[in-house]
Amino acid sequence: QVQLHESGPGLVKPSETLSLTCNVSGASINSYYWTWIRQSPGKGLEWIGYIHYTGITTYNPSLESRVTISIDTSKKQFSLKLNSVTAADTAVYYCAGKDSSSWDVGWFDPWGQGTRVTVST
Amino acid sequence: EIVMTQSPATLSVSPGERAALSCRASQSVGSNLAWYQQKPGQAPRLLIYGASTRATGFPARFSGSGSGTEFTLTISSLQSEDFAVYYCQQYNSWPPYTFGQGTRLEI
Repeated sequence: QVQLHESGPGLVKPSETLSLTCNVSGASINSYYWTWIRQSPGKGLEWIGYIHYTGITTYNPSLESRVTISIDTSKKQFSLKLNSVTAADTAVYYCAGKDSSSWDVGWFDPWGQGTRVTVST
Repeated sequence: EIVMTQSPATLSVSPGERAALSCRASQSVGSNLAWYQQKPGQAPRLLIYGASTRATGFPARFSGSGSGTEFTLTISSLQSEDFAVYYCQQYNSWPPYTFGQGTRLEI
């Protein structure tokens, strides 16, 4: 059973960098595109981007200038950095997986339980 | 970017009744549509993919239909555990993958 678990600070100051990590268990790190998705009352569910174990990334164009997703295959974890945050980045951040075994898989399963991040002074 | 629009925002239904939730895409997504169920305090959970294929663990009372720009999630004979928020997501044209705003199914 694949399990994902997010960790990181729950409070970030405006203009600083939000950093989160997702630990993967129960699955090969090679089997998924490792994904970040956020959910806020104002914007609903928003796909942030994902990374393949090879290091290839794809980002949401609306966030691309501020986002970096990285992976550490030896630790079976991947990370999100979002810089220059504002209150609009306040959300629950989820890590998730998108099966990489087939080109036509575009849905996200499994998901972590989510971590709430608030941007505030 | 493909915009996904769900309706209604809230649907009030009694247990045992049938519910039909709508999702519309701003342009054709073929059958590249997924549905998720989210309960309070939990992450979304994959329910349907390929517009009509049920994910593991969901009973046959859940069904998905549609293609192109119009999709429907139907729940026949609602059970108490089905009351949740449901989201659609397109994966035909990306980036970005996009989600609808959700339909809250309430008693």
